[in-house]
This record gives sequence, structure tokens and C-alpha cells, in this order.
Amino acid sequence: DTGVSQNPRHKITKRGQNVTFRCDPISEHNRLYWYRQTLGQGPEFLTYFQNEAQLEKSRLLSDRFSAERPKGSFSTLEIQRTEQGDSAMYLCASTRGSGEKLFFGSGTQLSVL
Amino acid sequence: QQQVKQSPQSLIVQKGGISIINCAYENTAFDYFPWYQQFPGKGPALLIAIRPDVSEKKEGRFTISFNKSAKQFSLHIMDSQPGDSATYFCAASKITDSWGKLQFGAGTQVVVTP
Repeated sequence: DTGVSQNPRHKITKRGQNVTFRCDPISEHNRLYWYRQTLGQGPEFLTYFQNEAQLEKSRLLSDRFSAERPKGSFSTLEIQRTEQGDSAMYLCASTRGSGEKLFFGSGTQLSVL
Repeated sequence: QQQVKQSPQSLIVQKGGISIINCAYENTAFDYFPWYQQFPGKGPALLIAIRPDVSEKKEGRFTISFNKSAKQFSLHIMDSQPGDSATYFCAASKITDSWGKLQFGAGTQVVVTP
């Protein structure tokens, strides 16, 4: 396993701009999760996919957030009209089947100025 | 509404000592309780997990104790080593919902001194 890969590792943007993050899960992992982590807190669930189907979205995920997993492989998370409150680490995780063990990537650190 | 409460926020332990981290949960529907370890700049990594049908699970130097009636569970790190210095998160989920849809605690920063 090469691990879950997230790009970019860091993103600095100005308020109001759109940003997109990419997650490449471990090969053959059919479930993919997005979490958000702010400093000094645990990760918060945002959304998850089984293959290409988005099965659930948290109420934390405002209309400015959208996630896709078009071919059931990589996923993208887009934030439109970024706000300073969006500054956080965005983590992606994947697992096989309804597997117990989540494998997390190293995250994308977003700073909104 | 934090569904999983974790304490302490931080702790310092000497090499060879025991680190104990506690968590309490509200939702009795939770039936999967993992602990994750996170190093700076990295994502969390699964350390050990327990289901409510057992009261204790041990893997190497790491032990989870689970008290269903009290809705509490704890992580014990025996013979703590400097390499154990990290942030530890407890979490909980409902298997019928999704194993991976986890409610995390706020984390405990553990520092092991030489």
C-alpha cells in the first residue's frame, strides 16, 4: 500500500476565493471519507463515499462545500467563496468494504487570509 | 454537541511510566470504540479498538478498558516510551451507520520524558 495521498499539503488563499483539494485513496478501497480538523480538536466527519456514490453529508458541510468521487477512485473537495472560518486541516481517509480500519492521509492545511 | 468527551487535555509521563487517557460517550447506540494516534503533520493512525461485548482488549503495550454501564472507556499505555509522544484521540461510531463515520474526542497530548 502506498497510503492515502492528499494534495496539496498546504493551501493559502484569500477570503472569497474557491479552492479544491484532491485525495487519492489506497488502491481498491471502496469507501472514502472526508474529515476536517481544527487546531486542538479532534477530526469532524464531513462526508463519505462508497465507490462513486456520496452516501452521507454532515450538517457541518454548508452549501459552499461540494465533494465528488467521479469514478470511484480519487475524490475532490471544493470550497467556494472561502471564509476565514474554513481554515483547518482537511483529512481524507479510506477503507476496504465496510472495513473497521480507516487509513488517513496527511491532510491539506488550508489557511484563509 | 460533543458526543465524546476526552480527558485529560495533556499529560506528561516519565519513560517507563503508565499513561492513562479517559473518554466518556453519550450515545448508547455507539458500538465501536477506536483509539487513534496522531503525530504532528500526519493524519491519525488506528492504534487499537474495542466493541462493547468485551471489557478489555490488549495489544502490546496498549490496553483499552471498557465500562458499558458507565459509558466510559480508557486507554492505558504501559512502559511509555519517548516515541509514544503524540496526540491520542478516542472515537466512537455506530457500525450499522458506518464504521468510519467517527465522533472523535478533543484529543490528549502525551509527552514522554526521557
